Amino acid sequence: GDSVTQMEGPVTLSEEAFLTINCTYTATGYPSLFWYVQYPGEGLQLLLKATKADDKGSNKGFEATYRKETTSFHLEKGSVQVSDSAVYFCALVAGGGNKLTFGTGTQLKVEL
Amino acid sequence: DGGITQSPKYLFRKEGQNVTLSCEQNLNHDAMYWYRQDPGQGLRLIYYSQIVNDFQKGDIAEGYSVSREKKESFPLTVTSAQKNPTAFYLCASSDRGQTGELFFGEGSRLTVL
Repeated sequence: GDSVTQMEGPVTLSEEAFLTINCTYTATGYPSLFWYVQYPGEGLQLLLKATKADDKGSNKGFEATYRKETTSFHLEKGSVQVSDSAVYFCALVAGGGNKLTFGTGTQLKVEL
Repeated sequence: DGGITQSPKYLFRKEGQNVTLSCEQNLNHDAMYWYRQDPGQGLRLIYYSQIVNDFQKGDIAEGYSVSREKKESFPLTVTSAQKNPTAFYLCASSDRGQTGELFFGEGSRLTVL
């Protein structure tokens, strides 16, 4: 079946550091890929998405590129802020449906 | 403002009691979903509904029930048959054609004592 694997957290960074959160996937066909973010005490929000190979999704300074050859969708940001502290989930939808398969989430803590 | 409202935010119940979690949306979305979130396990799909009066089991439906009598509402009942009901429950909705783009509520934390 479909699955998403994320790097384990927590990831702790200093403000203005470079962020990478790794995500790899297994899916039939050509899935659409997503990053969701969950701030403390809240539900999830869509951060960015990519629907086909080599697409780059971007939002709020975050980027991720759909790499079919490595089945990856790593999340990056050049300079993190304390306000970026949250849990980040990688997810996919395959087969034309609307059922998301989520990774286990990676907690990011950004310190001054 | 458009969005998804879940209630209650926190709920405590004794073992053996059924509990119903409310989810209402005013986004005019056709599809609605219930997810369960446990530490270290990500989100797992319990039930989903793509249209009024129809719903399908997700990956972990045992011990749960739902109804979809109105487009705006998708309540989840956690029954006494659910072996480990303590968790954070998230409701979501999506628009037809917006594959994978879910709007989430703020969640309900259920603790069974």
